[in-house]
Amino acid sequence: DSGVTQTPKHLITATGQRVTLRCSPRSGDLSVYWYQQSLDQGLQFLIQYYNGEERAKGNILERFSAQQFPDLHSELNLSSLELGDSALYFCASSIDQAGGYNEQFFGPGTRLTVL
Amino acid sequence: GDSVTQMEGPVTLSEEAFLTINCTYTATGYPSLFWYVQYPGEGLQLLLKATKADDKGSNKGFEATYRKETTSFHLEKGSVQVSDSAVYFCALSDNTDKLIFGTGTRLQVFP
Repeated sequence: DSGVTQTPKHLITATGQRVTLRCSPRSGDLSVYWYQQSLDQGLQFLIQYYNGEERAKGNILERFSAQQFPDLHSELNLSSLELGDSALYFCASSIDQAGGYNEQFFGPGTRLTVL
Repeated sequence: GDSVTQMEGPVTLSEEAFLTINCTYTATGYPSLFWYVQYPGEGLQLLLKATKADDKGSNKGFEATYRKETTSFHLEKGSVQVSDSAVYFCALSDNTDKLIFGTGTRLQVFP
């Protein structure tokens, strides 16, 4: 158990709908990262938040948005869903100390199925 | 941009066989390199890492050496077990800490 929790575990929805995925980082971790794992694109970095502020952006679609709240949990919002958005969405967290690499601890993921 | 290429799977081995999973990278700077493992139904776990050239990362019998001259970070284990069956991801991290992953290699070990 990494200490990172994600809800829900599974989500089934229809095209055009909007969903929210939730992530609670490990206690003390200030950074949250979102990744998408799909069959055709592999594992891709979407976005990083640090202490409530967006820090880095990857291949995140305009239909997707994220935020990190004062209690440091994060939500990933996916709207106008398409079949191709079906994937496993991972959240990771790190303590983000200055200098050197900050190990990322991954949650178990949310499996999104768009029908 | 930066990228990671790893061998296609699945890799199928008998228990106690020697394992190599190849990984090469392209990066403009001096990235840190990682191997992550994903067991069925679980999230990713860091297996080992190396942060500079010639560093060797090791954990649970797995090893990988950061080779700058060949831009490689191949994963090896001398004797695999059935419990090592999983998907293995090679990854790099630039200065921003975001991870760039390879496509993953599924390892299947049979008794």
